[in-house]
Amino acid sequence: DPKIIQKPKYLVAVTGSEKILICEQYLGHNAMYWYRQSAKKPLEFMFSYSYQKLMDNQTASSRFQPQSSKKNHLDLQITALKPDDSATYFCASSQEGRGQNTLYFGAGTRLSVL
Amino acid sequence: GDSVTQTEGPVTVSESESLIINCTYSATSIAYPNLFWYVRYPGEGLQLLLKVITAGQKGSSRGFEATYNKETTSFHLQKASVQESDSAVYYCALGSSNTNKVVFGTGTRLQVLP
Repeated sequence: DPKIIQKPKYLVAVTGSEKILICEQYLGHNAMYWYRQSAKKPLEFMFSYSYQKLMDNQTASSRFQPQSSKKNHLDLQITALKPDDSATYFCASSQEGRGQNTLYFGAGTRLSVL
Repeated sequence: GDSVTQTEGPVTVSESESLIINCTYSATSIAYPNLFWYVRYPGEGLQLLLKVITAGQKGSSRGFEATYNKETTSFHLQKASVQESDSAVYYCALGSSNTNKVVFGTGTRLQVLP
């Protein structure tokens, strides 16, 4: 059974709308992350949380807002969607918020903005 | 900034052939980088294949090997004899024990023909 659940698997949205990407992890980890990969680009770090607190934000746009309602949840709210936001969004977690620790990833949410 | 460059895919090889996927890194803000290879099988999230945190050391897993070469800033992934089940996307990554951010490459899609 997958230990990191991302919902939905696929998502189609219209320009200007708002969507929430869901992520839940059942590994008992204290740190959670969001990454994004657009076509032919590197897997890009977006946010990291540790003990439900924001640790690092590499996303320039305030349209992307992580939401952590529980220790094992880190949802991603995206407002005013643009076609350039089309990408696969990956949620990840680790035991601690340090780079040496292994990251565990969900299967991703593929977002298409029309 | 910190970055990872890897072989642009797709890479197609026949079963039992040897494989090398090149990876070079630039660690401008990280004094002692940790290096990783992750693999993503179809329909699944990325999972750690191997990691090396000390320059000059070699990591290995499932028949894959990679040596951390600080002089050439490289971490190439090799396997002597691939199997069809190795078909996946391989990501080279760079991290630090002092931060919670891991920098990934674009991923290299490997297709192994039977």
